[in-house]
Formats: sequence, C-alpha cells, structure tokens
Amino acid sequence: DAGVIQSPRHEVTEMGQEVTLRCKPISGHNSLFWYRQTMMRGLELLIYFNNNVPIDDSGMPEDRFSAKMPNASFSTLKIQPSEPRDSAVYFCASRSGTGDSWDQPQHFGDGTRLSIL
Amino acid sequence: KNQVEQSPQSLIILEGKNCTLQCNYTVSPFSNLRWYKQDTGRGPVSLTIMTFSENTKSNGRYTATLDADTKQSSLHITASQLSDSASYICVVSEASGGSYIPTFGRGTSLIVHP
Repeated sequence: DAGVIQSPRHEVTEMGQEVTLRCKPISGHNSLFWYRQTMMRGLELLIYFNNNVPIDDSGMPEDRFSAKMPNASFSTLKIQPSEPRDSAVYFCASRSGTGDSWDQPQHFGDGTRLSIL
Repeated sequence: KNQVEQSPQSLIILEGKNCTLQCNYTVSPFSNLRWYKQDTGRGPVSLTIMTFSENTKSNGRYTATLDADTKQSSLHITASQLSDSASYICVVSEASGGSYIPTFGRGTSLIVHP
C-alpha cells in the first residue's frame, strides 16, 4: 500500500526562483496537510484541505506561499519568489475523515528538503 | 497562546535501558494528544493517541500517560533498542467546532547507544 508520496526529495535553487513542491496523498484520504520543519521552530502547519477545499491557511507565512489541490490525488505548494529563509523540510500528510477526526492519524510523506541559496 | 513544551531536548541512553520523555501543554480546550516518532530523514509516524478520559495507553514497548488536570503527558520507552533512536514529537489538538488545530512540540531527540 503506497504511502504519501512527495517530490522532489531534495531541491536546491537560487533565491528569487519559483519552487513547486508536489504531494500525492494516500488514496481514499480526504484531508491533506502541508507542514514546514526547521530546527529552530520544529513542525509548523501551513495549510490543510478537506475534500480538496482549503480550510485553514493561517499558517502560510507570506503571500509568496500558495497551495492548491486540484483533485483528490494531487496537491502543490508553491513559493514565488523564494528566499533563503524558506530553507526547510516541507512535509505533506494525509488523513481519512475530515474536521477533527481525532481517531485517525495523519500519514506523513518523507518530505522535501529545500535549500534556497 | 497554545504551547507544547517537551523535555528533555535531547537524551542519550544505552541499549536496553528505559527512558521517559515529557510533554507539558497549555492547549485549551483539549481534544487529544498524539506522540509521533520521526526517524532521521523520514516523516513522523503516529505512536499513540490519548483523549481526555485516558490515563495510559501502550503500543509495544511504548507507554504514554496523560494527566489532563496538570496538562502533562509522558512517553515511556522500555528496554530501548537501537532503532528507537529518533525524534519524538508531542502534538496536542484543540477542539474547535470540527476544525483541526494542532500545536506541535519541538521534539525530544533520543539516541540509543549499543
């Protein structure tokens, strides 16, 4: 059974460039989450979707960040223009159920390690 | 502001020994508390979930406790193995009318030496 698939696993680019991170959630899961993890701040929730609809994007740091979920099997997180302080590991997670489905754990991908030079 | 504080920040133990990780939180109203294990270079994996009415829950050699009155949780690892070397993250969710509002601890880094 395939887990959450993220691509690319690593991305190195120069500041000012557009970066697109991709996520394929587990089939049948209808909630999807994007996180950022740094040594200083730990894991931070950026945005989450229920049934492809963005529910809470209050964690998105700036207008430079945008996320889309055009269908149930694909989501993107885009940074434009990128800055060195965006360097972090970005995780995507999915979960069955919606809202506060507390009995269902989130399943995380292995992340995209992003370095902005 | 909701906060989750974990201690210690890092811990080194010998294989076979037991250890206990702590999590204190100020999240309110409380919905649930999860412990995740994150291996190096991988995403977090859920170990256990605790709700308000639960005091203790086990998952193999991992035992989580919850004291909702003092807003403290612990994760006890028995007879540690090298594979237990990882970061352990405490996540507390706030109940908010069907919305999902998690607050993450910064994790405890555990190293198990042979």
